[in-house]
Amino acid sequence: DTGVSQDPRHKITKRGQNVTFRCDPISEHNRLYWYRQTLGQGPEFLTYFQNEAQLEKSRLLSDRFSAERPKGSFSTLEIQRTEQGDSAMYLCASSFGTYGEKLFFGSGTQLSVL
Amino acid sequence: GQQLNQSPQSMFIQEGEDVSMNCTSSSIFNTWLWYKQDPGEGPVLLIALYKAGELTSNGRLTAQFGITRKDSFLNISASIPSDVGIYFCAGQMGNYQLIWGAGTKLIIKP
Repeated sequence: DTGVSQDPRHKITKRGQNVTFRCDPISEHNRLYWYRQTLGQGPEFLTYFQNEAQLEKSRLLSDRFSAERPKGSFSTLEIQRTEQGDSAMYLCASSFGTYGEKLFFGSGTQLSVL
Repeated sequence: GQQLNQSPQSMFIQEGEDVSMNCTSSSIFNTWLWYKQDPGEGPVLLIALYKAGELTSNGRLTAQFGITRKDSFLNISASIPSDVGIYFCAGQMGNYQLIWGAGTKLIIKP
């Protein structure tokens, strides 16, 4: 299967702990996106990468969030000192990076902060 | 911020019925995308639209890019149980940013 892969699928953590999620995009895609989704809402943009460069971060992304894509392939999203409000589905998507592009999503990581 | 108004919020349908949903915006978009999301999964791309007036089909699904470029419609013909889920529209203005609707939840009547 050559789709977008995310790991883990589910994460339960205690408030104040750090968590890290991984995303493996479709191999020929050079853009990678992170979105957050809460129940009953559409996905909310967090950040995106063109190859290894992080080109945009949402103003909603606090300093506790950091994302990397070290070699332009897989990406990690880390949340430090988790809060209950961080509980959400974290979605990764990738694309070719052309105008009018199609985003292909992974199955997401469901985070629950207790 | 920019928003898409997606309606209806939810629909109860009988198997075999046709379904229609739409998205409207006060902003002009260059691309419209329609996704379906099942519980606990990521959105799956159904149809992409790139030109005003464009009508595109994917099996029983048909979507249209509105002439004003401020709206889009999705129709599902002869619905089946596996059509149940949440359908999202997303509009794209610039090079990467998607603006999402809040979704239309499709439910099959028992």
